[in-house]
Amino acid sequence: QKEVEQDPGPLSVPEGAIVSLNCTYSNSAFQYFMWYRQYSRKGPELLMYTYSSGNKEDGRFTAQVDKSSKYISLFIRDSQPSDSATYLCAMIWSNTGKLIFGQGTTLQVKP
Amino acid sequence: DAGVIQSPRHEVTEMGQEVTLRCKPISGHDYLFWYRQTMMRGLELLIYFNNNVPIDDSGMPEDRFSAKMPNASFSTLKIQPSEPRDSAVYFCATSGGPDTADEQFFGPGTRLTVL
Repeated sequence: QKEVEQDPGPLSVPEGAIVSLNCTYSNSAFQYFMWYRQYSRKGPELLMYTYSSGNKEDGRFTAQVDKSSKYISLFIRDSQPSDSATYLCAMIWSNTGKLIFGQGTTLQVKP
Repeated sequence: DAGVIQSPRHEVTEMGQEVTLRCKPISGHDYLFWYRQTMMRGLELLIYFNNNVPIDDSGMPEDRFSAKMPNASFSTLKIQPSEPRDSAVYFCATSGGPDTADEQFFGPGTRLTVL
């Protein structure tokens, strides 16, 4: 079993839709949870960063962490074609330096 | 700042040849990470350095892979001899610290094809 599980998709939605992306993990020692966005042929870039359980909102993006269920989500409201990318969840436990990535979910937002 | 710089951007080589990938970190960043990305295995951490010292190389797949960081401005990842299964995109990422959980900034990657 992988430490972090993420459905690779692809996921195709119409413009304006609400998108839900999810990851599950097995290691309860993970403390920091991140979402990276990767455009085609580019390096990943940090989108959202959360430490504790609960919600964190940044514009159209909301990151949700449920440590009891070992489940994290990223919601995108009013999705735009420019949101078309691969979204990777990532997690780390302090002082190890190891960022463990999910497989990534490829999202396409159609105009 | 120009961000993390990697070279070459693309590399095509034949099996058995030596391959050297290069990375210039963001100035002042103390942590440097090398990742490999494939469709099958996703993004995997190979090795990381703190202040030019290798901290964890447990992700390096085998002895054919080696990484160095001779100074704060430069790191290399070398594969010798290369094999077709090494074909992947290799990313270098750096972080300003002081905590290893700080944001990592990725370079554009080197797309390696081993024939």
